[in-house]
This record gives sequence, structure tokens and C-alpha cells, in this order.
Amino acid sequence: QKEVEQDPGPLSVPEGAIVSLNCTYSNSAFQYFMWYRQYSRKGPELLMYTYSSGNKEDGRFTAQVDKSSKYISLFIRDSQPSDSATYLCAMSAGDSSYKLIFGSGTRLLVRP
Amino acid sequence: ETGVTQTPRHLVMGMTNKKSLKCEQHLGHNAMYWYKQSAKKPLELMFVYSLEERVENNSVPSRFSPECPNSSHLFLHLHTLQPEDSALYLCASSQDREGYNEQFFGPGTRLTVL
Repeated sequence: QKEVEQDPGPLSVPEGAIVSLNCTYSNSAFQYFMWYRQYSRKGPELLMYTYSSGNKEDGRFTAQVDKSSKYISLFIRDSQPSDSATYLCAMSAGDSSYKLIFGSGTRLLVRP
Repeated sequence: ETGVTQTPRHLVMGMTNKKSLKCEQHLGHNAMYWYKQSAKKPLELMFVYSLEERVENNSVPSRFSPECPNSSHLFLHLHTLQPEDSALYLCASSQDREGYNEQFFGPGTRLTVL
């Protein structure tokens, strides 16, 4: 079993839709949860970061962490064609700053 | 230049060639990383340098040889690679301290091994 599972997609939605991206994980020691966005021919960039359980909102983006279910989500409201990218979840136990475990990424396409 | 830069952006090499990938970070960070990204697979951490010392080597074949001459520069020396080594190689940097640290990524080098 992989430490982090993420549906590779692709996920295709019309512009304006609400998008839900998800990851599940198996290591209960994970405390730091991140979402990275990667455009084609670019490196990943940090989109959202959450510590422990709960919700975090930033503009059209909301990150949710449910540690009891070992499940994290990223919601995108009013999706735009510019949101088309691959979204990577990543997580860490925090015991070592470089130990990030990534999901395989979900490719999102927002159709105009 | 800002952030993390990588050169070259694209590289095609034969199995007998020797080449090097270069990474430079302009963020004042003290930790640097090499990752391998293959299609539909999670990012694989290859090497980590913290304060110019290698602190992580995830069972990477010896045909990959990292070098970190200072906290701003990181190299990945390649020799006698295999076609399955074709991938996007990403460099990242962070400020190594207790707890979580954001890793900043470069644009990557797309490597093709013929």
C-alpha cells in the first residue's frame, strides 16, 4: 500500500464548477499537509498548507484535513481555465523538514 | 534571477554520455534537494543536502552523483544512464529548521536517455 494515494485523473470540469481533489494516506504520524500546483513545463508551487486537522481558506481555495479518516481535500470554487494544472498533495510528520511524501498528482482541466 | 533556477531545461543523452544538471537557489536557504518525477508516479526524493552535507540518499543508483559545493548550488552528475532514467529532475530548496518548511521548486530538467 502506498503511503499517499491520489487519483491521477484527468478530471475535466466546466468553468465555474466546484472542484474537489482528494488524497488518502496511511501514516497517522503525518501532521503537515500541503497542496502543490504544477503547471505544464513548470516545477510544483505551494498552494495551501495546513497543520493538523481542520479547514483553511484562501480565496477560491479551501483545504480540509480529516485526520481521523486519514483524508485530505482541496476545493476550488468558481474554477477558471487558469486552474488547469496538476495538483499534488504532500504530507510530512514534521520530524524532519525534508521528509515530504507526495501523491502522484491529479491532472485538472477546466473547460472554458 | 529569483527563486530556484535549473539548467539545462532539456537534455538528451546517450547511455554512454556524461552530463551534469545544475541548480541554483537565490532564496538564502540552507537545504537543497533533488527529486525525480516520472509520469503518473509520485515525486521521488533522491538526495538532500543540509548545510552542504548530504543527509539523505534514497537508494539512488551510483550512476547519479550529487555535489553541493555551497548552500546556493547543487549539481547532479550523470553517467552511463539507462532509458528508464528518462524523467523530469526537479531541484528544490528550503530553510531547514524544526517543524514544517516550505520547499521551493525549480522548473526542472527534462532528461531523455536514448
